[in-house]
Amino acid sequence: EAGVTQSPTHLIKTRGQQATLRCSPISGHTSVYWYQQALGLGLQFLLWYDEGEERNRGNFPPRFSGRQFPNYSSELNVNALELEDSALYLCASSSGTGRSNEQYFGPGTRLTVT
Amino acid sequence: RKEVEQDPGPFNVPEGATVAFNCTYSNSASQSFFWYRQDCRKEPKLLMSVYSSGNEDGRFTAQLNRASQYISLLIRDSKLSDSATYLCVVNGNTGNQFYFGTGTSLTVIP
Repeated sequence: EAGVTQSPTHLIKTRGQQATLRCSPISGHTSVYWYQQALGLGLQFLLWYDEGEERNRGNFPPRFSGRQFPNYSSELNVNALELEDSALYLCASSSGTGRSNEQYFGPGTRLTVT
Repeated sequence: RKEVEQDPGPFNVPEGATVAFNCTYSNSASQSFFWYRQDCRKEPKLLMSVYSSGNEDGRFTAQLNRASQYISLLIRDSKLSDSATYLCVVNGNTGNQFYFGTGTSLTVIP
């Protein structure tokens, strides 16, 4: 069974541009989570989508947004890029809510803003 | 106070040693708990969920102490391949938000 996939692997943008990152969850998983991991820091929760709806977002400005498509794949958009947005962006999927809601991560997209 | 706190280490242990990591969480209503392993520049991989009764998977044992609000991971007979960063993860229950610790670095030395 295929795991979570993300594209692109690497993305280089300049300050002020927009970045679009994509994620395909494990087949059968309806929930997608986005995290930011800056160098040397822990994972910071960005967004959670389930059944096509944004269910929760972390403490990030509105220029971080996204959506989930009918096939449960998801897109993260970052507008007006800033240098400090350089990080590894990880997508995770799970089968839904519940006490044993295990998340499985994709390989990430490494975003570099110059 | 952070939602999840871990000792960052690093822990440097010889092969065959037993090592234990602890992680504390602040939300007493948290429902689910996990340990993930993350290798350098790779994505986190689920190591094990942590159940109230404690659970074991080979050389790995996870425990949950709700009264003191901490979870632990014990690794017995450490292997070189156990070298990684171990992340403690807690589901905050509200909004299904997951909180990750900053990770504990383990290096197993030959």
